[in-house]
Amino acid sequence: AQKITQTQPGMFVQEKEAVTLDCTYDTSDQSYGLFWYKQPSSGEMIFLIYQGSYDEQNATEGRYSLNFQKARKSANLVISASQLGDSAMYFCAMREVSSASKIIFGSGTRLSIRP
Amino acid sequence: DARVTQTPRHKVTEMGQEVTMRCQPILGHNTVFWYRQTMMQGLELLAYFRNRAPLDDSGMPKDRFSAEMPDATLATLKIQPSEPRDSAVYFCASGLRVGIGLAGTDTQYFGPGTRLTVL
Repeated sequence: AQKITQTQPGMFVQEKEAVTLDCTYDTSDQSYGLFWYKQPSSGEMIFLIYQGSYDEQNATEGRYSLNFQKARKSANLVISASQLGDSAMYFCAMREVSSASKIIFGSGTRLSIRP
Repeated sequence: DARVTQTPRHKVTEMGQEVTMRCQPILGHNTVFWYRQTMMQGLELLAYFRNRAPLDDSGMPKDRFSAEMPDATLATLKIQPSEPRDSAVYFCASGLRVGIGLAGTDTQYFGPGTRLTVL
């Protein structure tokens, strides 16, 4: 079974609009961490945001926020006021405490921002 | 501005040749990861180390791939002999693992990748 599911292979959004990228996960661990990475066309993987399973507040980093719904096992990334430079692949990932430092990545969502 | 560095950035080689990729983790980080990215398989974890000791290399074809950390500032991934199906982007990432049990911290920071083409 897929551990990390990103159901949107591609999305188009108008510049300055907010966008939500979906991510659901599957784990039986009580303790785990969720990550979002951005991969622009240049290829590098850029860490965006982290949410721990015991964190009560949703994580935020500038224009990025993580909508963490533990009961639904979802960890959607919200980008406010999108910019052209946000066009990239976005990967959701999870680390389970039972797997030490190992991180599992989803298949990614390609986000394209329209001017 | 601390970064993970990888060399070479691009490598084109012929089938059967040995390929060595190098990674310099961020100074002070104690975990190092090797990933492979292809269009078909996405990001796959090949191996990872903590404090230079290999923790998991189950994602790596053992017959041709090997990963080592000769010292804390250098990680290597070697393919011998290389095959066309090894063509991919290979990423190294490093992180700082603190504490035990909890899923906090331990964010992985990626290098720019090595784009390998095996003809």
